[in-house]
Amino acid sequence: AQTVTQSQPEMSVQEAETVTLSCTYDTSESDYYLFWYKQPPSRQMILVIRQEAYKQQNATENRFSVNFQKAAKSFSLKISDSQLGDAAMYFCAHMDSNYQLIWGAGTKLIIKP
Amino acid sequence: DTGVSQDPRHKITKRGQNVTFRCDPISEHNRLYWYRQTLGQGPEFLTYFQNEAQLEKSRLLSDRFSAERPKGSFSTLEIQRTEQGDSAMYLCASSLLPALRDTQYFGPGTRLTVL
Repeated sequence: AQTVTQSQPEMSVQEAETVTLSCTYDTSESDYYLFWYKQPPSRQMILVIRQEAYKQQNATENRFSVNFQKAAKSFSLKISDSQLGDAAMYFCAHMDSNYQLIWGAGTKLIIKP
Repeated sequence: DTGVSQDPRHKITKRGQNVTFRCDPISEHNRLYWYRQTLGQGPEFLTYFQNEAQLEKSRLLSDRFSAERPKGSFSTLEIQRTEQGDSAMYLCASSLLPALRDTQYFGPGTRLTVL
């Protein structure tokens, strides 16, 4: 069965600092997609960044970047220059060949002012 | 704004009652997904539609749950004879296949509380 593991239930970072959230997944497929979503308190799920497995280059979106290690099945999210508005639950998700998202349990990110 | 919308945002019901939720996807998105999310957990897949066809249902979706997307636009999720274990956030997402390689965009969710 395909699984996604987020081993950090909670992380905290000082405002303006950098934080990395970890994610590992298990799949037998060679072509797939990986996502990080953000869910602020009482607000909806928002796409942060996506990565196609066939691309070697790590995806980047402004202050958000990933470290995609296909062989290790690792997909970590780095947030640079952390801002108060980054506080949220962050979910890692893997899309299988049936276009279904398999989700991790989430990491709660706390930003210290 | 033409994002995914869901109605109602909150629903409180008594055990045994039926409830129905509605999801309006992003215009022209051909795929629509339903998820359930309990507190502190990631979403769990329930079912999805491509246009009006329901292509897959999770084993989590008991016979008390039914979903429709009659005209390939909005969708409804009905839960019959609700149980306290049905209390959760019900999320809807839509995507455009094959463009954007099926990135799913989520609505705000419907929070169901069964008393």
